[in-house]
Amino acid sequence: EPEVTQTPSHQVTQMGQEVILRCVPISNHLYFYWYRQILGQKVEFLVSFYNNEISEKSEIFDDQFSVERPDGSNFTLKIRSTKLEDSAMYFCASSDSFNQPQHFGDGTRLSIL
Amino acid sequence: RKEVEQDPGPFNVPEGATVAFNCTYSNSASQSFFWYRQDCRKEPKLLMSVYSSGNEDGRFTAQLNRASQYISLLIRDSKLSDSATYLCVVKEGSQGNLIFGKGTKLSVKP
Repeated sequence: EPEVTQTPSHQVTQMGQEVILRCVPISNHLYFYWYRQILGQKVEFLVSFYNNEISEKSEIFDDQFSVERPDGSNFTLKIRSTKLEDSAMYFCASSDSFNQPQHFGDGTRLSIL
Repeated sequence: RKEVEQDPGPFNVPEGATVAFNCTYSNSASQSFFWYRQDCRKEPKLLMSVYSSGNEDGRFTAQLNRASQYISLLIRDSKLSDSATYLCVVKEGSQGNLIFGKGTKLSVKP
């Protein structure tokens, strides 16, 4: 069964540094998403991406965040200057249409020191 | 603010038990509903979509009451492998971003 893959599985970064989280969505999917989950809290929507542009973003997704689809397969989330409160699991998800369920990657654990 | 509320549990049940989870959502315009399960420190995995007429998948039955903005999940004949956190999820926005509940933790004991 095709799956969403994410790298790295764990990223440790000093506060203030830039970090890029990578995702390879399922190949025929068109809608891409990033979510995060702070330890012990609920999964929260960050951003959706369709047709090479951001479709929607939450209030969490401020100017420090950006997304990109640099080629036909990768979908990245960049945090420009990380803060301690950015420590969380970051999940990428994709779906083949707006009405279909989203499939999640196994996440990147981001730890900010 | 759009919210999805769930009883956090934990629900501790013996193998073979029937257990039910409930969920309410705040946005009456929501159109799509799901149950996901999440194992400890893992990604959410789709368990089933929830349809207006109710739907069943093996031991799992989901119900939706739009008038009450209420979603339920029934698990029959619980297995040890059903132990997980069950997430009630509502699709929002023009591009389908998901709003998650905090989840209900289920622990099935031998």
